[in-house]
Amino acid sequence: AQSVTQLDSHVSVSEGTPVLLRCNYSSSYSPSLFWYVQHPNKGLQLLLKYTSAATLVKGINGFEAEFKKSETSFHLTKPSAHMSDAAEYFCVVSLPGSSNTGKLIFGQGTTLQVKP
Amino acid sequence: EAGVTQFPSHSVIEKGQTVTLRCDPISGHDNLYWYRRVMGKEIKFLLHFVKESKQDESGMPNNRFLAERTGGTYSTLKVQPAELEDSGVYFCASSPGSVPNYGYTFGSGTRLTVV
Repeated sequence: AQSVTQLDSHVSVSEGTPVLLRCNYSSSYSPSLFWYVQHPNKGLQLLLKYTSAATLVKGINGFEAEFKKSETSFHLTKPSAHMSDAAEYFCVVSLPGSSNTGKLIFGQGTTLQVKP
Repeated sequence: EAGVTQFPSHSVIEKGQTVTLRCDPISGHDNLYWYRRVMGKEIKFLLHFVKESKQDESGMPNNRFLAERTGGTYSTLKVQPAELEDSGVYFCASSPGSVPNYGYTFGSGTRLTVV
């Protein structure tokens, strides 16, 4: 069975310091992986996606994630946090193959707090 | 381009009542998905439409939930009768093609509270 585990429910950083949000996945197949962000009262916004091309994926707003198959990880990073980054972040896996209808499996979410 | 629109944004109903949630996908997006987040839990898949057909409804919790997408445009999700455990945020998403090539565009969600 496929699953996604976000290792931290809450992460707090100071503005200008690096951000690391951790995600591990379990999949019998080569997965497609995503990070989504949800700001208060907003919809889920796609930050970046990995679909078996380059293992280092760059997304919007300076975020990037590295797919490490040996570690089954897809951690999200940003060199310098901004106050506007405060939100909830979701690591998501999608199953490949023709039988896949596009169903996404979400991690539990990580709330990022950015302190001035 | 208009995004995915959901309404109402909030709904508070009493146990036993009926509620209908609506989702308007991005125009031209054949794929429409419903997801739900119950308090304290992860976001979970409910069902998937391709045009007006249900492609996968394996996530629908029980027969109190009925989803429709007449004409392959907007979709409704009806809960009848509502129970306390139905409270949560219901998200709709649409995509022009299958994931992962396209990804989804999500709506802002409907927060349903059953009291």
